[in-house]
Amino acid sequence: DVKVTQSSRYLVKRTGEKVFLECVQDMDHENMFWYRQDPGLGLRLIYFSYDVKMKEKGDIPEGYSVSREKKERFSLILESASTNQTSMYLCASSFSSAGTDTQYFGPGTRLTVL
Amino acid sequence: GDSVTQMEGPVTLSEEAFLTINCTYTATGYPSLFWYVQYPGEGLQLLLKATKADDKGSNKGFEATYRKETTSFHLEKGSVQVSDSAVYFCALRGPSGGYQKVTFGTGTKLQVIP
Repeated sequence: DVKVTQSSRYLVKRTGEKVFLECVQDMDHENMFWYRQDPGLGLRLIYFSYDVKMKEKGDIPEGYSVSREKKERFSLILESASTNQTSMYLCASSFSSAGTDTQYFGPGTRLTVL
Repeated sequence: GDSVTQMEGPVTLSEEAFLTINCTYTATGYPSLFWYVQYPGEGLQLLLKATKADDKGSNKGFEATYRKETTSFHLEKGSVQVSDSAVYFCALRGPSGGYQKVTFGTGTKLQVIP
């Protein structure tokens, strides 16, 4: 079974702090994704990566950056956390960019910024 | 751009009732269509998918048919169980996003009562 793990299930940070969210997948997938999930808005794509050191902006990249130094690991960075970044963050991976490919999700990190 | 519209929730049903969750989409070309399910406290997992017109995806008693003429992918189950209580997301992966991006609906919460 594909496993996608996220470093924390719950995280509480203060405004202005730098926050790192880590995601690891164990199936040699090319593509990795970061989403945020908010009530009434569904999932919104922040960034995705289709290869090591490659990244593409999603729909809401402002206030975030990402890093992919190794194929299995994709990090989301909040350079200076703000209260409007309080949300559930979901990481996902897929084998390739083929349209039929399934995305596999981690359990999520619920981030609260005070 | 691509978009997915699904019915507002929450949907509350009695056990063994028939379930329909409506999903319609807007996309260019021929997207792949997915239903994901999110159980409480977990990440999303694939429920079923269909990759071309008139395909029927099915899993765990759930079904959905890819209807290009009505741009719909409605989820159905003949007899729901309490264990089906979850949030259901309709999604598509299409050519306008290079097939790399997945567009999600806002989710429909299903509650099944004994």
